[in-house]
Amino acid sequence: RKEVEQDPGPFNVPEGATVAFNCTYSNSASQSFFWYRQDCRKEPKLLMSVYSSGNEDGRFTAQLNRASQYISLLIRDSKLSDSATYLCVVILPMDTGRRALTFGSGTRLQVQP
Amino acid sequence: GAVVSQHPSWVICKSGTSVKIECRSLDFQATTMFWYRQFPKQSLMLMATSNEGSKATYEQGVEKDKFLINHASLTLSTLTVTSAHPEDSSFYICSASGLAGSVEQYFGPGTRLTVT
Repeated sequence: RKEVEQDPGPFNVPEGATVAFNCTYSNSASQSFFWYRQDCRKEPKLLMSVYSSGNEDGRFTAQLNRASQYISLLIRDSKLSDSATYLCVVILPMDTGRRALTFGSGTRLQVQP
Repeated sequence: GAVVSQHPSWVICKSGTSVKIECRSLDFQATTMFWYRQFPKQSLMLMATSNEGSKATYEQGVEKDKFLINHASLTLSTLTVTSAHPEDSSFYICSASGLAGSVEQYFGPGTRLTVT
């Protein structure tokens, strides 16, 4: 079983739609969670950290469910510029000291006009 | 702030040659740098972790004699792909961490290696 699993998509949605991605992680002791965005042939960029209480940044809302070991990302009012691959990222317990990131395989979003 | 550069951005080399990729933190001191590899339509896979002044820690399945990592200063780490083969063709990305109190990693723009 992969450490971090995501639905690869692609998710094809019209502009203005609301779309949600889920991600599950296998190690219940994982402590840090993030969503990154990666455009084609570019490096990943941090979108937002994910906190137990949930957090919101503009049109983006991230939530963490420790009991079920999943993380979600909600994008409201999708824009064409939101088209990218969204990576769920976890810092596993054994990596906490050195901060190595474990990436999910990514969910591809295509927002259409 | 927190900018990481990589050089070169892309390189094409012949099979059997060696290629060196540089990763620099431009405006902060990176106590730890990470090297990742990403094949098409796959996720980033951690290859190794390097700490300044010490030997790199390689992930399982990554050959340390083939992928030589040197972290000689707090702002520079290099990855040398020795005796490159076509299957080494990939997108190599470094990241750096070290900002006090932050777990965030800052990624370089990546190096696309093509071995012919």
